[in-house]
Amino acid sequence: QKEVEQDPGPLSVPEGAIVSLNCTYSNSAFQYFMWYRQYSRKGPELLMYTYSSGNKEDGRFTAQVDKSSKYISLFIRDSQPSDSATYLCAVNDYKLSFGAGTTVTVRA
Amino acid sequence: DAGVIQSPRHEVTEMGQEVTLRCKPISGHDYLFWYRQTMMRGLELLIYFNNNVPIDDSGMPEDRFSAKMPNASFSTLKIQPSEPRDSAVYFCASSQDRYEQYFGPGTRLTVT
Repeated sequence: QKEVEQDPGPLSVPEGAIVSLNCTYSNSAFQYFMWYRQYSRKGPELLMYTYSSGNKEDGRFTAQVDKSSKYISLFIRDSQPSDSATYLCAVNDYKLSFGAGTTVTVRA
Repeated sequence: DAGVIQSPRHEVTEMGQEVTLRCKPISGHDYLFWYRQTMMRGLELLIYFNNNVPIDDSGMPEDRFSAKMPNASFSTLKIQPSEPRDSAVYFCASSQDRYEQYFGPGTRLTVT
């Protein structure tokens, strides 16, 4: 069983819509949860990370962790064409394990 | 800071040849990671170093792969001999605390 499962999409939304991305993980011992954004032909860049359960907000981005259901989410409000990218979730105990990534296209 | 620097950005080589990928981490970062990304397998950790010492190489696919970190500002990933199935994008990342990892631009390797 993979440590992190993520629907690869693709996901296409109109500009201004809310983008909702989700992952599930297998090991309840994980404490650190990350979201990376990867533009085409670029390296992944860290968007945000949360420790344990709860929400974290950074501008238009909100990350949520529900440890009871082993579910992590990323929401992008007021999406922009510049948000078009692949979003990867990751969990970290002593090393990062990545989901497959969801490709998002925001249509102008 | 210039960020993580990788070279070359693209490498095309023939099967059986030796390939060396290079990485310069962000100054002050004690952790260095090598990843491989393919469409089929996604992003996989190959090996990571802490203070120049290899800590976990369980992701290295086989003996053809080796990695070194002779000092805090330089690391190499070597494939010898290379095979077509090694074609992928190889990323180097560094971090201060093992959690917030900063990735380089990657090396796109094609083995024909």
